[in-house]
Amino acid sequence: NAGVTQTPKFQVLKTGQSMTLQCAQDMNHEYMSWYRQDPGMGLRLIHYSVGAGITDQGEVPNGYNVSRSTTEDFPLRLLSAAPSQTSVYFCASSSGLAGGTDTQYFGPGTRLTVL
Amino acid sequence: DQQVKQNSPSLSVQEGRISILNCDYTNSMFDYFLWYKKYPAEGPTFLISISSIKDKNEDGRFTVFLNKSAKHLSLHIVPSQPGDSAVYFCRGGDSSYKLIFGSGTRLLVRP
Repeated sequence: NAGVTQTPKFQVLKTGQSMTLQCAQDMNHEYMSWYRQDPGMGLRLIHYSVGAGITDQGEVPNGYNVSRSTTEDFPLRLLSAAPSQTSVYFCASSSGLAGGTDTQYFGPGTRLTVL
Repeated sequence: DQQVKQNSPSLSVQEGRISILNCDYTNSMFDYFLWYKKYPAEGPTFLISISSIKDKNEDGRFTVFLNKSAKHLSLHIVPSQPGDSAVYFCRGGDSSYKLIFGSGTRLLVRP
């Protein structure tokens, strides 16, 4: 049981490039989400999904796209990277049975630098 | 509109003493609160939670107190240990799936 996995661990992009951050979970969780962590800003919610085919925007969705075609995977796409997207990105999942009372399980993070 | 606020970005305490981390919230619909702990270069991990029907929940050295009238919760760590040095995040929970965290408090426990 690997839990929540994220790839890559590190990535450097140039401004304007696009890329996809991968997230997968093997716990059959319905709820998955993406956060970014910046110094002094805590964990900010980017997008979330309550099940395959269903996604919604979080606090800071601009510049990011998501889709959820399977229960296991929830990729985050940066369409045209900007230096303001330099951050550490965390994917999380939870069972989705109890809304906000669920315990979330986080991946190890992807450190992204945009030059 | 930030629903959860952690107004102290950092806290430094001596080993063996008590650490108190605070969290304020504005959303009256929250009926559950969770604390997460994060070490550098790792993802956050669940630490302790409390239901709104309680005012205290204890798990070993960690106790969370909830004051609903003040919309305030606090995490007490007694005694503090150097391994407790980490960033602590609080989160409120209701039926919504839009799960918002506070900005975190960095705890340093000095040997």
